[in-house]
Amino acid sequence: EAGVAQSPRYKIIEKRQSVAFWCNPISGHATLYWYQQILGQGPKLLIQFQNNGVVDDSQLPKDRFSAERLKGVDSTLKIQPAKLEDSAVYLCAGRAEGAFEQFFGPGTRLTVL
Amino acid sequence: DQQVKQNSPSLSVQEGRISILNCDYTNSMFDYFLWYKKYPAEGPTFLISISSIKDKNEDGRFTVFLNKSAKHLSLHIVPSQPGDSAVYFCAGGSQGNLIFGKGTKLSVKP
Repeated sequence: EAGVAQSPRYKIIEKRQSVAFWCNPISGHATLYWYQQILGQGPKLLIQFQNNGVVDDSQLPKDRFSAERLKGVDSTLKIQPAKLEDSAVYLCAGRAEGAFEQFFGPGTRLTVL
Repeated sequence: DQQVKQNSPSLSVQEGRISILNCDYTNSMFDYFLWYKKYPAEGPTFLISISSIKDKNEDGRFTVFLNKSAKHLSLHIVPSQPGDSAVYFCAGGSQGNLIFGKGTKLSVKP
């Protein structure tokens, strides 16, 4: 069974530029999450999808962050424009129906200069 | 407001001995708790979970204990192995969402 795929693995951009991250969860995982993990902290939820619908985006900074999961499978998270404080690892996770555990991808490490 | 707290940033243990990682929480609405292990440059890997109606769950060398009255859980690793060296995150869950602690870095010395 393939794991959670994320790309790119690393990205370096200048502040005010835009960036996009891609995630493909494990097949059949209807619930998809995007997290932001700042150095020294635990993952913090940005947005949760159930199939192609948004369940929770209360912690997503909507003035600069957006996410979509149009076909209910893979997902894209975008930041536009990026700020220095957006430097972090962006993690994607999926969860099967009825399960507790979430399965994480390797993450994308973003550095904003 | 930190709902899940891991107050020890790091822990060092000798190979073969027991590792005990602690976690405290403030949210009484958590239905379950999970422990994740994270190696550098990798995503967190699920380790073990416990429902809020249980007080113990065991899986091989890993045991999680839950004390609801104290709002405290702990992960025991016995015996500890050098490959267990990683950052361990505790998370409280409810309705499919997880809130993570800051993690504890475990170093197991040969």
